[in-house]
Amino acid sequence: SAVISQKPSRDICQRGTSLTIQCQVDSQVTMMFWYRQQPGQSLTLIATANQGSEATYESGFVIDKFPISRPNLTFSTLTVSNMSPEDSSIYLCSVEPRRGDGYTFGSGTRLTVV
Amino acid sequence: QKEVEQNSGPLSVPEGAIASLNCTYSDRGSQSFFWYRQYSGKSPELIMSIYSNGDKEDGRFTAQLNKASQYVSLLIRDSQPSDSATYLCAVNLEGGYNKLIFGAGTRLAVHP
Repeated sequence: SAVISQKPSRDICQRGTSLTIQCQVDSQVTMMFWYRQQPGQSLTLIATANQGSEATYESGFVIDKFPISRPNLTFSTLTVSNMSPEDSSIYLCSVEPRRGDGYTFGSGTRLTVV
Repeated sequence: QKEVEQNSGPLSVPEGAIASLNCTYSDRGSQSFFWYRQYSGKSPELIMSIYSNGDKEDGRFTAQLNKASQYVSLLIRDSQPSDSATYLCAVNLEGGYNKLIFGAGTRLAVHP
């Protein structure tokens, strides 16, 4: 299975600022997925990032708030913009190394907005 | 609305017993089903996948799928305290989609 390096692992940020989360995969993958996990909750898909095209956002998530880059087949970033305390969550990237085999997750970024 | 539903628990079982975790899904076109284990403060870890009706066994874990009833379950035999975690059911939507939708998770507690 793929190995994903995600950073930062955690951060404490001031409201109104932005944080960029990076994910590096050790193999080429077509799609990368960004999830949010709020405290005590399950995973909610934010967007799907394809290389060479704009990301596809799920209902309730918009590009201005969560811009995503996907410059190549092994790397993606998610930015959480103009943060508020409600953005305090764990953010996870994931990939599906081979279709149908299930997703592998990065170690997550624990974000606290104060 | 695509939904995956699980009982939140906690499900408490004694060490050595069988833990039974259940999941239902609403999208009849779903083709791939996964169980993830998530320890507190960690990211989800894939433990089982199942694609066809019936049972699939891997060590102490057995996944069961019934597409007619839109039901998938996970059995953990000889439960150990180290199995205590949250178990997430996930469904891959087909038909042009390629994303996992997760249930809320069931918290399992195995007590000695």
